[in-house]
Amino acid sequence: AQSVTQLDSHVSVSEGTPVLLRCNYSSSYSPSLFWYVQHPNKGLQLLLKYTSAATLVKGINGFEAEFKKSETSFHLTKPSAHMSDAAEYFCVVSGFRGRANQAGTALIFGKGTTLSVSS
Amino acid sequence: NAGVMQNPRHLVRRRGQEARLRCSPMKGHSHVYWYRQLPEEGLKFMVYLQKENIIDESGMPKERFSAEFPKEGPSILRIQQVVRGDSAAYFCASSPQDRGTNYGYTFGSGTRLTVV
Repeated sequence: AQSVTQLDSHVSVSEGTPVLLRCNYSSSYSPSLFWYVQHPNKGLQLLLKYTSAATLVKGINGFEAEFKKSETSFHLTKPSAHMSDAAEYFCVVSGFRGRANQAGTALIFGKGTTLSVSS
Repeated sequence: NAGVMQNPRHLVRRRGQEARLRCSPMKGHSHVYWYRQLPEEGLKFMVYLQKENIIDESGMPKERFSAEFPKEGPSILRIQQVVRGDSAAYFCASSPQDRGTNYGYTFGSGTRLTVV
């Protein structure tokens, strides 16, 4: 079975400092992994995704994540935080139902990490 | 090309009433997924539908909840006789036909249901 664990429920950084949001996953096969961001009372926006190509994935707004199979991790980083980055971040692994490459597999969400950015 | 459209954005219902949540997928998408987000929780899968067909409803509560995706019109998530525990944000996502697990689904902005 697939699962995902976000190691920190809350991360606080100062504007201009690096951001690290940690995520570990469990999967019985090569997973697809995603990071989504949710701003208050807004929908979910896809930040980036890993789909077995390059292990270092670049996303929107300066975020990137590195897939490390040996550590079963997919941590999200950004070199310099901005006030507008304050939001809820979800690490997601693609669940597997039925045949491989079949559309409609469920996404399994972590519980989320709240990122606070202070000036 | 409009994204996934959900309405209403906010819905307030008294206990025992019915709630109907609507989701219009992106143009050209024939697969719809419903997820529920309880307070301070991640999203949980509820149901996956194609046009006129429920593919996977393993995440749906067995009672009071139903979903449909008719040939014409939006997908509807229906909750009968709502209770306070149904208060949550309900998100809809869509994807094109025959796309695999590599596809990052596009989510709507959600419907926030409050049961009073």
